[in-house]
Amino acid sequence: DAGVIQSPRHEVTEMGQEVTLRCKPISGHNSLFWYRQTMMRGLELLIYFNNNVPIDDSGMPEDRFSAKMPNASFSTLKIQPSEPRDSAVYFCASTLRDGRNQPQHFGDGTRLSIL
Amino acid sequence: QKEVEQNSGPLSVPEGAIASLNCTYSDRGSQSFFWYRQYSGKSPELIMFIYSNGDKEDGRFTAQLNKASQYVSLLIRDSQPSDSATYLCAVDVYNQGGKLIFGQGTELSVKP
Repeated sequence: DAGVIQSPRHEVTEMGQEVTLRCKPISGHNSLFWYRQTMMRGLELLIYFNNNVPIDDSGMPEDRFSAKMPNASFSTLKIQPSEPRDSAVYFCASTLRDGRNQPQHFGDGTRLSIL
Repeated sequence: QKEVEQNSGPLSVPEGAIASLNCTYSDRGSQSFFWYRQYSGKSPELIMFIYSNGDKEDGRFTAQLNKASQYVSLLIRDSQPSDSATYLCAVDVYNQGGKLIFGQGTELSVKP
């Protein structure tokens, strides 16, 4: 079975450019999570969706960050304009919520470098 | 502010020994507890999960949960060099739709 699929795997871009990260959750999963990981702050939850609806975006750093989930099989995280401090590894994870919190399964991540 | 605390390490153990990784959490309402392993440059990989007080064993791994003490641990028996990684403890936030809080991770080094 295919796991969580993220693209691109690496992104290097200049400050001020728009960055779009993509995620395809595991088929049948109904919850999707976007995380950011840095050495200083560890793994931080940015936003999560249940049944394609954003539930909690309190972790989104500022208005430059936005996320969408137009259907059950696709989500995007967009940064516009990007800044050097956004450099990090961004992970997408998915799970099936069936009344109990099942484990989240992570994609391989997108390593983002903003110059 | 819900918190999950782990010893940052590094924790160094000889090959064949038992590695003990510990985690405390602040949310008394938490119900689900997870251990992930993360190799350098890779994504977190689920190792164990536990919902009830007591021990849960899977091969060389044992998760232990004590909700009264708000404490969860992971034991790795017969540690191997391939177990060298960072171990992340994750705890759910009560009534928050599956939201998890991750600890900072404990770096484990198993010496041959």
